[in-house]
Order: sequence, then C-alpha cells, then structure tokens
Amino acid sequence: EPEVTQTPSHQVTQMGQEVILRCVPISNHLYFYWYRQILGQKVEFLVSFYNNEISEKSEIFDDQFSVERPDGSNFTLKIRSTKLEDSAMYFCASASETQYFGPGTRLLVL
Amino acid sequence: RKEVEQDPGPFNVPEGATVAFNCTYSNSASQSFFWYRQDCRKEPKLLMSVYSSGNEDGRFTAQLNRASQYISLLIRDSKLSDSATYLCVVNMGTGRRALTFGSGTRLQVQP
Repeated sequence: EPEVTQTPSHQVTQMGQEVILRCVPISNHLYFYWYRQILGQKVEFLVSFYNNEISEKSEIFDDQFSVERPDGSNFTLKIRSTKLEDSAMYFCASASETQYFGPGTRLLVL
Repeated sequence: RKEVEQDPGPFNVPEGATVAFNCTYSNSASQSFFWYRQDCRKEPKLLMSVYSSGNEDGRFTAQLNRASQYISLLIRDSKLSDSATYLCVVNMGTGRRALTFGSGTRLQVQP
C-alpha cells in the first residue's frame, strides 16, 4: 500500500537555525499539506499546496515558513530561523480526495 | 466556541464494551467529516469518513447530524487494540481543503 514518507524522523536544532523537513507524498496525489502538533495539543493546519503553489495557509504559517516542491517527488517545509515554540511534530499529508498522513518529523528547538 | 469540540476523556472501558464518542463543530458550512485514530506519538490515521446517512465499518459506526452540527462514533465489542485517541476532523468547506481537528478523545480498553 502506498504511503507518505517523511525525513528525518527526529531533528534537534539550535534556536535561530534553519531546518528543512522533507516529505515524499503518495505518487498520484495532487494536494499536499503540512500540519503540526505541539506536544499534548491538537493537530493544526499550516499550509496546503496544489499545482505548484500555495493554495491555503493558516495564521501560523508566517514569513519564517516556506514550502517547495523542488522535483516531482519531494515536498519540503523550511523554517528559516527556528524558535523554541516551533518544537512540535510536523506531519506531511497528501490527498487525491482523502488526506493520508506521513509518520511525522519530531522537531526539537533548543 | 472551539471549531471542533470533543470530550477529551479518558474513557476507560472493559474489553467487549460498547463506547460512543461525540463531537460538535461550529461551522454550518462544513462539508466533509472524518474520524481519525492517533496512537501515542504517531500520525493520525483515517478510521472512516462520516456521511449524513450514517455508515458502518465492521465494529465502527459513524453518524452525522447536520442540523445539530454533531458527529458520533460508536465502537462495539471493544478490543485492547482499540486503545488510542480518536480525532474528530472536519473540512470547514467554502473551497478550503484544510482539515480542522478536534483535540481528540482518549480511549483505554482494559482487559
């Protein structure tokens, strides 16, 4: 069964550093998403991407965040200058109709 | 008012019990409804979509009441493996595809 994959599974970084989180969506899906979940809190939408552009974003997705689909398979989330409060699990999802989630990247900002 | 509201639980039930979870959503224009399951520190996994006519998948039955903006999930004959957090998830519609998650209801099935 096809699945969404994400790398790395864990990332520890210093405050102010840039991080890039990577996702490989399911191959025939056209819609891609990033969500995050702070420990003990609910899953929150960050951004959606369709047809090589952002289709929707939340208020969390400020100028520190960017997304890219650099080739036909990868979908990345970049955080330019990490803050302590960016520590969370970041989930990538892809969809044709229903959204399927990757296993997540646990980001810890020190 | 929270966009998607759930009782956080935990619901502690014995194996074989029937348990029901409820969820309310704030936006009457919401278009799609789902139950996802999340195990500790794992990704949400789709359990089932929820339709106005109600739908069943084995031991799981989901219902939607659009007039009351209310969604339910019934689990019959609970198994130990059903222990997880159950997430009520809504697509708020009006062209959006983003999902809005409830905080989840934790279920612990005990032997």
